[in-house]
Amino acid sequence: AQKITQTQPGMFVQEKEAVTLDCTYDTSDPSYGLFWYKQPSSGEMIFLIYQGSYDQQNATEGRYSLNFQKARKSANLVISASQLGDSAMYFCAMREGNPSQFYFGTGTSLTVIP
Amino acid sequence: DSGVTQTPKHLITATGQRVTLRCSPRSGDLSVYWYQQSLDQGLQFLIQYYNGEERAKGNILERFSAQQFPDLHSELNLSSLELGDSALYFCASSGGHLTDTQYFGPGTRLTVL
Repeated sequence: AQKITQTQPGMFVQEKEAVTLDCTYDTSDPSYGLFWYKQPSSGEMIFLIYQGSYDQQNATEGRYSLNFQKARKSANLVISASQLGDSAMYFCAMREGNPSQFYFGTGTSLTVIP
Repeated sequence: DSGVTQTPKHLITATGQRVTLRCSPRSGDLSVYWYQQSLDQGLQFLIQYYNGEERAKGNILERFSAQQFPDLHSELNLSSLELGDSALYFCASSGGHLTDTQYFGPGTRLTVL
């Protein structure tokens, strides 16, 4: 079974609108972490946001928030007030084990339309 | 700047050749991970080292090898290169602990002609 599933290969959003990128995960480890990374066309992988499995509240970092639904094993990324610079590939990832191992999804390509 | 450095940034070589990619992790990070990203394969995990020891192996070809040195920097060796090895190779590092985050280097873009 896939550890991380991103079912949206591509998404479009109007500038200034909010968008949700879906991510589901699979683990039996009670302690794990969930991450989102952004990869613009320039190629670098930029860490955006982190959610720990024991965190009671959803993580937020500026315009990014992580909608963590533990029972459903989902960790969707919400980007509010989209900007043209948000156009990029977005990867969901999970960390489990000690020492840590990381698993990545196949990514979602987001295009922000002016 | 993630604090992870990779050299070189670009590498162009011919089929059959051997290259070495170098990575220096963030200060204090014990784990190093190598990934390959090609257009048709997405982000593929190759191998992980933790404090000098191999910890996990992914889809790494036998032609590829890696090591992590006592100063924690790591090298990825690619030999008998083929056209299909052209890709962006990322190194990432993390503390290796239960609450850590993985940070990526800028990548090495390898082109095999």
